[in-house]
Formats: sequence, C-alpha cells, structure tokens
Amino acid sequence: AQSVSQHNHHVILSEAASLELGCNYSYGGTVNLFWYVQYPGQHLQLLLKYFSGDPLVKGIKGFEAEFIKSKFSFNLRKPSVQWSDTAEYFCAVILTDSWGKLQFGAGTQVVVTP
Amino acid sequence: GAGVSQSPSNKVTEKGKDVELRCDPISGHTALYWYRQSLGQGLEFLIYFQGNSAPDKSGLPSDRFSAERTGGSVSTLTIQRTQQEDSAVYLCASSLEAAVNSPLHFGNGTRLTVT
Repeated sequence: AQSVSQHNHHVILSEAASLELGCNYSYGGTVNLFWYVQYPGQHLQLLLKYFSGDPLVKGIKGFEAEFIKSKFSFNLRKPSVQWSDTAEYFCAVILTDSWGKLQFGAGTQVVVTP
Repeated sequence: GAGVSQSPSNKVTEKGKDVELRCDPISGHTALYWYRQSLGQGLEFLIYFQGNSAPDKSGLPSDRFSAERTGGSVSTLTIQRTQQEDSAVYLCASSLEAAVNSPLHFGNGTRLTVT
C-alpha cells in the first residue's frame, strides 16, 4: 500500500541542538512533498514544500528539507532549534495525478527543552 | 484575514446519534478538504470538494459518513449512527484550487467524542 512513514514519533532535545526528522514515502510516481507543523493549540501550517528543481528546499523559521529521489525520502532539518520549535511535525505527499488527496505521515512530536 | 472556521470546536455525543460538523472555508477558495486525526495516528484523508462536487470520496470510512458542499462555500460532514471509533479530531482545509501547488489552509478542527 502507498504510504508515508515518519521514523520518530517523539523527539526530545535541548535548545541549540540540531534536528533531523525522517520521512519516507512509497509512491512510485511523481510526487510533491510537504512538511506541515502544528504548534500547541494552533492549526496546521505549511512549513515548506517541494515540487521540482533544487532538491534542497528552505522553509520558514530556518527549516530546510532535502528530497532524495533514490531513497524516496524528504527529511526535515534545522541546525539549531529553539524552545518555540516545540510542535508536531507532519510529512505529507501528494501524487501529481491525484490532486486533493494529500497523504500525511503519523507525525513526530518534537519537544525542545530550555 | 479570516481563516478556515470549523464548528463546533468540541462535540460530545452518545453512540448511535447523528452528528453534523461544519466548515467555512476561506473566501474565494474553491477546494475544500476533510481529514480525520485520531489519537496517535496521522491525518487520514476523507474527502475533498472542487466547487460543489466531490471528485474523490475514497477516504470516507463507511456509508455512515457523508459530506456535502453548497454554494461552493460551506461544507457539512455528517456522521450517522456514531460509533466510539469515530472519536477523533475532524479537520477541514481549503485551498484556492485543487492543484498540487495550491497549499492547504487548515482550520482548528472539531474534536468529536463518542461515549
């Protein structure tokens, strides 16, 4: 079955530590990739997206993600996290021929301690 | 500006009752989506609308679930004869159009608890 997998369900780290969240998908066709973030008490927001071109994409708040087609991966990174990065992060994939059907991973809860 | 609005924000209902969840998309957004988020699970696609039509209903879990959209705006998700496994947060999102490069804007969700 087609799916989106996020490797870590829960991550705890200290401020200034580096963050990397793994995301793999199993679709064989052309995909568009997203990371969404949900801060405590807030709605889901788009963090960054990849459609084509440079596989290293930069998003808001210092986040970046790298699309590696051969590994079917789209990992999210941030070199130095802040306490305000505490949130749940969701990887999502949409097939280019399946508009509207954004498929999400299970999410990773990230807790940044002061 | 106004975002996606969902009501109610919380709903507690007894098993077997019907519930209606409402979504007001961002004005001008032609595409509208319903997702479900269960405890410990990711977001599960339910259905999306382009205008008033639903090209993809494949995510609806059973025939107890239905959704409609009228006037290209407000959408209602109806769950008949609710079961405990229906307990979840139901999220609505909208986008300018149902295209891959049109980002989704999410509402805060309706938390449904079936007792």
